[in-house]
Amino acid sequence: DIVLTQTPLSSPVTLGQPASISCRSSRSLVHSDGNTYLSWLHQRPGQPPRLLIYKVSNRFSGVPDRFSGSGAGTDFTLRISRVEAEDVGVYYCMQATQLGTFGQGTKVEIK
Amino acid sequence: EVQLVESGGGLVQPGGSLRISCAASGFTFTNYWMHWVRQAPRRGLVWVSRINSYGTLTSYADSVKGRFTISRDNTKNTLYLQMNNLRAEDTAVYYCTRGGGSLENWGQGTLVTVSS
Repeated sequence: DIVLTQTPLSSPVTLGQPASISCRSSRSLVHSDGNTYLSWLHQRPGQPPRLLIYKVSNRFSGVPDRFSGSGAGTDFTLRISRVEAEDVGVYYCMQATQLGTFGQGTKVEIK
Repeated sequence: EVQLVESGGGLVQPGGSLRISCAASGFTFTNYWMHWVRQAPRRGLVWVSRINSYGTLTSYADSVKGRFTISRDNTKNTLYLQMNNLRAEDTAVYYCTRGGGSLENWGQGTLVTVSS
């Protein structure tokens, strides 16, 4: 089974400052079709998750451009260029290359 | 607008069974793979199962394999999860999600509580 490890697990950030979250996979996430099915999701308290980034670096519809994703193979990063108050919550990476796995989640809060 | 509405959750005793449903609207249901994802109280997300657009290919997490069955009725635009031999550790909010390589849309979830 593929294991996804996120760091850090908690990230206090200052409004207007950047933030980044790392996601490392126990195996390459390159699918046999050539795609890498690594996505990032955001969950606010009491809400279902919502998709931010799919296939490593593609922003989903309606996602602000302050969110960006990068990486390849086994190492991936989500960056927020300037954190806003609405960005608090838990961020998850997720792989769908082999069945499905989520990272443990990273809690982002405002300092 | 894409809508996914789960129903059927509730309290069930250990060893019992429950079927939860997800009514889909606002998109062509037959074009999409569908998934179930669960979240235990104050815990992270866990992928449970997926089914292809035709209902002919299914996959499961090891923790539910042999106990849960995913299915869909494309004439009713509805996704199902039949859960048998339920355990306390199956207690969670169960989310229905749409997508193949990424989970694009999510329902609000239905709470399943397994307790005596």
